[in-house]
Amino acid sequence: QSVLTQPPSASGTPGQRVTISCSGSSSNIESNYVYWYQQLPGTAPKLLIYTNDQRPSGVPDRFSGSKSGTSASLAISGLQSEDEADYFCAAWDDNLSGPVFGGGTKLTVL
Amino acid sequence: EVQLVESGGGLVQPGRSLRLSCAASGFTFDDYSMHWVRQAPGRGLEWVSGISWNSGSIGYADSVKGRFTISRDNAKNSLYLQMNSLRAEDTAFYFCVKDKTPFFGSRQNHFDYWGQGTLVTVSS
Repeated sequence: QSVLTQPPSASGTPGQRVTISCSGSSSNIESNYVYWYQQLPGTAPKLLIYTNDQRPSGVPDRFSGSKSGTSASLAISGLQSEDEADYFCAAWDDNLSGPVFGGGTKLTVL
Repeated sequence: EVQLVESGGGLVQPGRSLRLSCAASGFTFDDYSMHWVRQAPGRGLEWVSGISWNSGSIGYADSVKGRFTISRDNAKNSLYLQMNSLRAEDTAFYFCVKDKTPFFGSRQNHFDYWGQGTLVTVSS
């Protein structure tokens, strides 16, 4: 059972906008930065969003992150077939003294 | 180009030990903290352990504390994970992961490059 809570699945059609939620608590999301990782099938995870809403170079601006209180969200606009992947949120947890992950959301592009 | 190459995985019996290694290249290894993150087949990600640039700060997930030991050799650009008293629930792909910062133990710890992983299977 993961410390951060994500919906197990999400879906959308090409061109659509989808959001993936990540729920935590005062010891992780509320007081620390949120990060998002994308894992394409059969590959290692890749950093998608850092410090709540920043994109590493090379990540399209279709991907955006936000945080409010104990929750965070990843939004993907102009959905493309290559966005089909698993998405994980993460944050430092002050009580556990380490990073914690969400259980992951499998995004399907219909 | 940053490269992280894990080795040392395999099939091991419950209660036995295994040592994972990670060879790093393409960046100044001793400028960054490093981590091990694992993923059971078909499951989510779990942070296992992290170590600061100079080994001065180290952390472990509760699930492995007292059984696993992380270490690094900056002269060899290498990261290690000694895994003792292995259990079936330790079965997973183990990823060597580079941090964006040199320090371990803060809100800024996050993972900017990942290796491809090495599979550890604990079974009799």
